[in-house]
Amino acid sequence: SAVISQKPSRDICQRGTSLTIQCQVDSQVTMMFWYRQQPGQSLTLIATANQGSEATYESGFVIDKFPISRPNLTFSTLTVSNMSPEDSSIYLCSVPKRGGYEQYFGPGTRLTVT
Amino acid sequence: GQQLNQSPQSMFIQEGEDVSMNCTSSSIFNTWLWYKQDPGEGPVLLIALYKAGELTSNGRLTAQFGITRKDSFLNISASIPSDVGIYFCAGQLEGNFNKFYFGSGTKLNVKP
Repeated sequence: SAVISQKPSRDICQRGTSLTIQCQVDSQVTMMFWYRQQPGQSLTLIATANQGSEATYESGFVIDKFPISRPNLTFSTLTVSNMSPEDSSIYLCSVPKRGGYEQYFGPGTRLTVT
Repeated sequence: GQQLNQSPQSMFIQEGEDVSMNCTSSSIFNTWLWYKQDPGEGPVLLIALYKAGELTSNGRLTAQFGITRKDSFLNISASIPSDVGIYFCAGQLEGNFNKFYFGSGTKLNVKP
């Protein structure tokens, strides 16, 4: 399985500010996924990030709020913009297994907005 | 969005007992995945299932892809304290490659 790292691991931010989360993979992958896990809840897909094209957002998530960059095949960033306390969540990136459908997750970024 | 109904929501068991949990949906799925998440960590893949009726084991864990393709089950035998965590099922709809819907999770507590 791929080795995935995320930065920062956690942060406490003030409302109205923005935070950029980085995801680094140890191998080249076509697709990367960003998920949100609200406190005590399950995982919800925010968007799919393909290298060289615009990210595809799921219903309820918009680019202005969650801009994503995918500059190469091993790296992606997710920005949480104009944060409010409702954005307090764990944000996770994942990548698919080469040649399969399983997804492997990074350790997550725990965000608290005050 | 799709709803995966995962049950039970939580379990309190004694060390050594067997555990069963399941996920059901009204939709047909092509792939089922089972994950475990420890506090402060990302989910870790336990088992992947690709065919209706498939039964797959990973150590003390056994998972099955339901014959109707609308459900999946995970069993843990002879539980130990390190089995504590939250278990999630994830399903992939037919023709919807790479998009997975996650169940609400089963929180497992094991008393030594």
